[in-house]
This record gives sequence, C-alpha cells and structure tokens, in this order.
Amino acid sequence: DAKTTQPTSMDCAEGRAANLPCNHSTISGNEYVYWYRQIHSQGPQYIIHGLKNNETNEMASLIITEDRKSSTLILPHATLRDTAVYYCIALNTGNQFYFGTGTSLTVIP
Amino acid sequence: GAVVSQHPSRVICKSGTSVKIECRSLDFQATTMFWYRQFPKKSLMLMATSNEGSKATYEQGVEKDKFLINHASLTLSTLTVTSAHPEDSSFYICSASGAGGKLNNEQFFGPGTRLTVL
Repeated sequence: DAKTTQPTSMDCAEGRAANLPCNHSTISGNEYVYWYRQIHSQGPQYIIHGLKNNETNEMASLIITEDRKSSTLILPHATLRDTAVYYCIALNTGNQFYFGTGTSLTVIP
Repeated sequence: GAVVSQHPSRVICKSGTSVKIECRSLDFQATTMFWYRQFPKKSLMLMATSNEGSKATYEQGVEKDKFLINHASLTLSTLTVTSAHPEDSSFYICSASGAGGKLNNEQFFGPGTRLTVL
C-alpha cells in the first residue's frame, strides 16, 4: 500500500489560493489518489480524486505529476470555512484507505 | 451525494458494559462498509472492512471478539464494543462504498460517534 506524506500544517490568507502538497512516491499504477478533509469532530468529507490526469470540480483542483509521485490539491479561493485537516490517501487494491497524519490548514482572515 | 448516518452521535457508558453503534447508508446500497477509530489529535485508524453477508476483515491489532461487526444488509452495519473500558473511549467513524458509477469506490463517511467509557 502506498504511503503518503504531507506537511503537518500550513497557513493561507483568506481569498488566496491554498496549495497543499502530497508525496506518494511508492504509489502503484492503478492506485488512485484521494483527498478528503475533516473539520473538527466531524466525519471526513470527500474533495476530489484522480489517477493520472489533472482533475477539477466545484471544490478544488488536483494536479498530479507526470511520474505520479506527488500531487497538489488547490483550493482556488480559500475561505475561513476551509480551515480543516486535509488528508491525501492512495486507494489500495482492496479499496481501503489508510490515513496518514494529514495537513492542518488554517485560513487566516 | 450519498449520505451515511451514524447512531448514536454520542454515548457515555459504564466500564464493563457493551455499546452498539449503527451505520446506515441512506440513499444507496453499500457493498462495503468500513469502521475507523480516531483518538484526540490523531488520524483515523482503519479497524475493519465489512462486506455485506460476509465476516468482517479486521486490521492487525484489532480484537475481533471485542469489536463485533455485523453487516446484515446493504444499508446497515453495526459495531458493538463489548465490555468497554476507559481506553476504548474514542471517536468511531464508519464509511460506506458502492454508490455505483463513477462514485463506486469512493467512501462516504458518517458523522462519527463519540464514545466515552467511565
């Protein structure tokens, strides 16, 4: 199972883009990269996922490097409600998630 | 999107008693459900994977006789913490997958259950 590593914490000014990096250098060819976020004392919320191509939805964009060893989640205009812990996870062949420590993002007014 | 509920949201019990937590997929049939545990300021830890009609697969270090999982239908899984002790106090979260189509492998998480054992 691919392990992911993320910075422990990041700050971002309100209204600016938040770029959250993730390393997954051991990811295999058929493992998807998923991003979830967790606001304090709630269940994780799905954000986006991808395999090889960059993806965009109403919440965020996901940029995956060509070698698939890293990716970046982009929140284009961060708001205070985006303050949360963001998890980057590789979905294994058993469709299981093994969460890492995640990045605690604080959006500053 | 697909919705998963948990009941109860909070439970306080005495040491030695058993507690049952329900996880329901409200608008889709979940072929697989997952149970996680999360201690304060820590990440989610996968406890077990449960397929409907089959025995759950437990992660290493998780006692199957202490954490009983039943997945009797495609919309309901239960986790029973037997003979609970204070060290079992934690935030228990379930997720469900199998919503179909492009979302088939995505896990939809419940809101969690806060268990406090006195």
